[in-house]
Amino acid sequence: AQSVSQHNHHVILSEAASLELGCNYSYGGTVNLFWYVQYPGQHLQLLLKYFSGDPLVKGIKGFEAEFIKSKFSFNLRKPSVQWSDTAEYFCAVRHNDMRFGAGTRLTVKP
Amino acid sequence: DTGVSQDPRHKITKRGQNVTFRCDPISEHNRLYWYRQTLGQGPEFLTYFQNEAQLEKSRLLSDRFSAERPKGSFSTLEIQRTEQGDSAMYLCASSFPRGDYGYTFGSGTRLTVV
Repeated sequence: AQSVSQHNHHVILSEAASLELGCNYSYGGTVNLFWYVQYPGQHLQLLLKYFSGDPLVKGIKGFEAEFIKSKFSFNLRKPSVQWSDTAEYFCAVRHNDMRFGAGTRLTVKP
Repeated sequence: DTGVSQDPRHKITKRGQNVTFRCDPISEHNRLYWYRQTLGQGPEFLTYFQNEAQLEKSRLLSDRFSAERPKGSFSTLEIQRTEQGDSAMYLCASSFPRGDYGYTFGSGTRLTVV
């Protein structure tokens, strides 16, 4: 079965700093990749997804992610974070069902 | 409301009691998933249905857990003889079968076993 690793457990940034959250997956076949966000007290929401084509995908709220097949990676980026980006971010890979990483908690200081 | 609904939002139960949660998916979605999430962890896959058929069960789903989706619409997750280790957020999601679709999640049912 597929698995997902998120190496950063907690990231603390100041507003306007750039963000990159790492995600690596292990699965040899074709997968679809996702990033979800969970704001405090809210349910999981889809940020962006990759399934084919351009490996650089853009999502909501200025987030983007790059799929690098040779590295089995799907890192999430944002050029300039805002205080409102404080949340938990989950990388996920879907083959038949979806498997999630442990999540990265992002704290943005005003 | 066209989202995924879960009921109840919170459940506090005594150890040893049985509990049942309900999930109503988006009506057009024929896949329904159950996940469990504990503090500081990502959602852990429990089981999923395509229509009324349960296609996969995780090893996390012990004999005390059972899930049903009798008419291919709503689903129930029952935990028998609850233990303190069952305390978690139980999430339901639904989707189309195609792998390039993301899931739509419900708000979850928070279970506390005392």
